[in-house]
Amino acid sequence: GAVVSQHPSWVICKSGTSVKIECRSLDFQATTMFWYRQFPKQSLMLMATSNEGSKATYEQGVEKDKFLINHASLTLSTLTVTSAHPEDSSFYICSARAYSGSLETQYFGPGTRLLVL
Amino acid sequence: AQSVTQLDSHVSVSEGTPVLLRCNYSSSYSPSLFWYVQHPNKGLQLLLKYTSAATLVKGINGFEAEFKKSETSFHLTKPSAHMSDAAEYFCVVSGPDNFNKFYFGSGTKLNVKP
Repeated sequence: GAVVSQHPSWVICKSGTSVKIECRSLDFQATTMFWYRQFPKQSLMLMATSNEGSKATYEQGVEKDKFLINHASLTLSTLTVTSAHPEDSSFYICSARAYSGSLETQYFGPGTRLLVL
Repeated sequence: AQSVTQLDSHVSVSEGTPVLLRCNYSSSYSPSLFWYVQHPNKGLQLLLKYTSAATLVKGINGFEAEFKKSETSFHLTKPSAHMSDAAEYFCVVSGPDNFNKFYFGSGTKLNVKP
């Protein structure tokens, strides 16, 4: 099946710094990738839709200036958490949209655990 | 708009007994429905998906789910639980009326007792 990787798998940073998370589709091209956030013992919440070569679309309540998304190629999307604060600590998961014939699904990365001190 | 309700936050079964994880959905249009599994410290893995073909969908690892439009349900079942099935399971709905974005249920944690 399709494989999606994320880097780093975990990161600890100081409050006020910025952190970049990479999401790569390893064996397929993805014009659309998605970024989710998962708090402990909670479900995944969609943050934004990342489209190759265009601006990301953010869900209601997600600050676009805080969570910068860049999708510069068909296999790479990045999420930068700017001026991170402790409340940004969470598990960030990306997915890439893929098609099998006319059937569409999403393949998920392993996630990045962010801890802001 | 779509939404998903997973009726049980925790399910505990004995190894070798059947598994039933319940999911009800709400959708304005014909939805696509998915079940994903998340093992600790691992990424989400697709178990199965329904996309308006056969209403009984067979997935990996012996899991299957039945789409019941009249009940707006998509329950996940497995005839015999294995210890390795212990994980968190998410029901997901998507549809063309929301650009095929995924909406996740709150998850059901499956515990399998020896």
